[in-house]
Amino acid sequence: EAAVTQSPRNKVTVTGGNVTLSCRQTNSHNYMYWYRQDTGHGLRLIHYSYGAGNLQIGDVPDGYKATRTTQEDFFLLLELASPSQTSLYFCASSDATGGDTGQLYFGEGSKLTVL
Amino acid sequence: GDSVTQTEGPVTLSEGTSLTVNCSYETKQYPTLFWYVQYPGEGPQLLFKVPKANEKGSNRGFEATYNKEATSFHLQKASVQESDSAVYYCALRTGGYKVVFGSGTRLLVSP
Repeated sequence: EAAVTQSPRNKVTVTGGNVTLSCRQTNSHNYMYWYRQDTGHGLRLIHYSYGAGNLQIGDVPDGYKATRTTQEDFFLLLELASPSQTSLYFCASSDATGGDTGQLYFGEGSKLTVL
Repeated sequence: GDSVTQTEGPVTLSEGTSLTVNCSYETKQYPTLFWYVQYPGEGPQLLFKVPKANEKGSNRGFEATYNKEATSFHLQKASVQESDSAVYYCALRTGGYKVVFGSGTRLLVSP
């Protein structure tokens, strides 16, 4: 079964603070994604990547950077955190090969609070 | 851009009654459509997918037909159980592997 691990699971920072959320998948999947989940908005795509060194812009990228350092690791960076970025963040991975359903496998989420 | 619109929640039902969650989508590309379910404290997980137009997907008594003409993919279940209480997401994936989700529909089933 696909395994996606996020860290930290909970983070509290202040406005203007610097935050890095980490995601690691151990299934050799090509694609990785970062979403934020907010009541009334569901899951919104921030950034995604199809391999090391690649970055694709999602639908709500403002205020976020991301970097895919290896096939396994995808990081989300908030360099000047704002209260509007308080949210539950999910990482996911997906296999692009024909044999897989193409489904996303999600981590357990990282709750970020910006005071 | 690509978008998904689904029934606003919460939807409150009694056990044994039927469920319909509406989902419509917009894209200029040929999509693959998914339904995901999320239980409290967990990440979303796949319920089922339908890759082809006018085909049906199903799992655990839930089903949906990909209606290309109407650009719809409504989720249905004939008889819900208390254990079906969760948040349900409609999603689409395009050829570039961008995956867009709807706003989610919370289902509450009372015994």
